Amino acid sequence: TQLLEQSPQFLSIQEGENLTVYCNSSSVFSSLQWYRQEPGEGPVLLVTVVTGGEVKKLKRLTFQFGDARKDSSLHITAAQPGDTGLYLCAGDFPRTSGSRLTFGEGTQLTVNP
Amino acid sequence: NAGVTQTPKFRILKIGQSMTLQCTQDMNHNYMYWYRQDPGMGLKLIYYSVGAGITDKGEVPNGYNVSRSTTEDFPLRLELAAPSQTSVYFCASHTTGRLGYGYTFGSGTRLTVV
Repeated sequence: TQLLEQSPQFLSIQEGENLTVYCNSSSVFSSLQWYRQEPGEGPVLLVTVVTGGEVKKLKRLTFQFGDARKDSSLHITAAQPGDTGLYLCAGDFPRTSGSRLTFGEGTQLTVNP
Repeated sequence: NAGVTQTPKFRILKIGQSMTLQCTQDMNHNYMYWYRQDPGMGLKLIYYSVGAGITDKGEVPNGYNVSRSTTEDFPLRLELAAPSQTSVYFCASHTTGRLGYGYTFGSGTRLTVV
């Protein structure tokens, strides 16, 4: 069973601060996705990274995929209260067919005004 | 586009009762999934399907059954509800062939077994 470890599990910061969330595995991903989930809703895709070393930016969010494709990070610049939510990383591991995401346990982010 | 629709949104079951969680998608996705989410535990895969007529077990299939008679529908059946099945259940769908194309999730069914 492939495992994903996310850290930190909880993060509470003030508006305007920067933060980084990490996602690590001992296995190589074929791709990795980041989702954001709000209370009472399903996860919503933020980004997919596929290539080792890849960096993607989505406004104030920067996603990085490790060179060895075993880890990823999400950096938020100047966090806002609207960024509050559960951030989930999910890895797709190489297999003969199909896609089956394995999820990390999530990072619960609270941004205080 | 409605995306992925799950019903019901909430349900309380007594131990030993059975129920079916409904999931339908209108995006013509071939892949569909059922996950459960427990507090602080992330999402665990229960069952998945790569197309109509084909289903397979995920990480935590015990106590559940699925069927996939059409591309659109992927119901999840609980035969003998147990307190350990208290959770939030999410259905998701996916299609291959496009890099960066993630899963689309429904809004979930919150199930309590008492």
